[in-house]
Amino acid sequence: AQSVSQHNHHVILSEAASLELGCNYSYGGTVNLFWYVQYPGQHLQLLLKYFSGDPLVKGIKGFEAEFIKSKFSFNLRKPSVQWSDTAEYFCAVHAGNNRKLIWGLGTSLAVNP
Amino acid sequence: KAGVTQTPRYLIKTRGQQVTLSCSPISGHRSVSWYQQTPGQGLQFLFEYFSETQRNKGNFPGRFSGRQFSNSRSEMNVSTLELGDSALYLCASSLDTSGDSYEQYFGPGTRLTVT
Repeated sequence: AQSVSQHNHHVILSEAASLELGCNYSYGGTVNLFWYVQYPGQHLQLLLKYFSGDPLVKGIKGFEAEFIKSKFSFNLRKPSVQWSDTAEYFCAVHAGNNRKLIWGLGTSLAVNP
Repeated sequence: KAGVTQTPRYLIKTRGQQVTLSCSPISGHRSVSWYQQTPGQGLQFLFEYFSETQRNKGNFPGRFSGRQFSNSRSEMNVSTLELGDSALYLCASSLDTSGDSYEQYFGPGTRLTVT
């Protein structure tokens, strides 16, 4: 069965630290990849997405993610986090003809000022 | 353009009761998906509706059902509530014109507490 793994469940960083959140999926065919963010008390919102083309995609608020097909990974990065980046981050994959989005369990990020 | 709206925002029910949650998608969006979000399980897919038809279904028992109306508004119903049904229920809509983009826009959710 298709699955998405987010390796870090809880991450605590200080402001200005660099961030990398891991996301791996299990599916050998064509995928569409997403990172969503849920700020405290707010809706889930799209951070960035990859459908095709340049495997390095840039999203909102300085986030970027790199699709590495050989590693089945789509890791999220930010060079310098801010306190306002404190949120829950979800990786999601749309695989092949399956119309369902498969979600990771999420990573809770806390940034200390 | 208004976002996805869900009503009610909060609900407290007793075991054995049934509940109906409502979702109004973004205008023009024809696909509506429902998710259950809990701290330990993350987002669990319930079902997806497109043009009043259930297009996809997750692995939830038959107590969970849904429907979509001609204006794309959707409802989900949970019958014979159990304590484990306490969760945040999220609705997401997508434009889904090509069938490939599948970018979803989420509502604020309905927080259901079963006592």
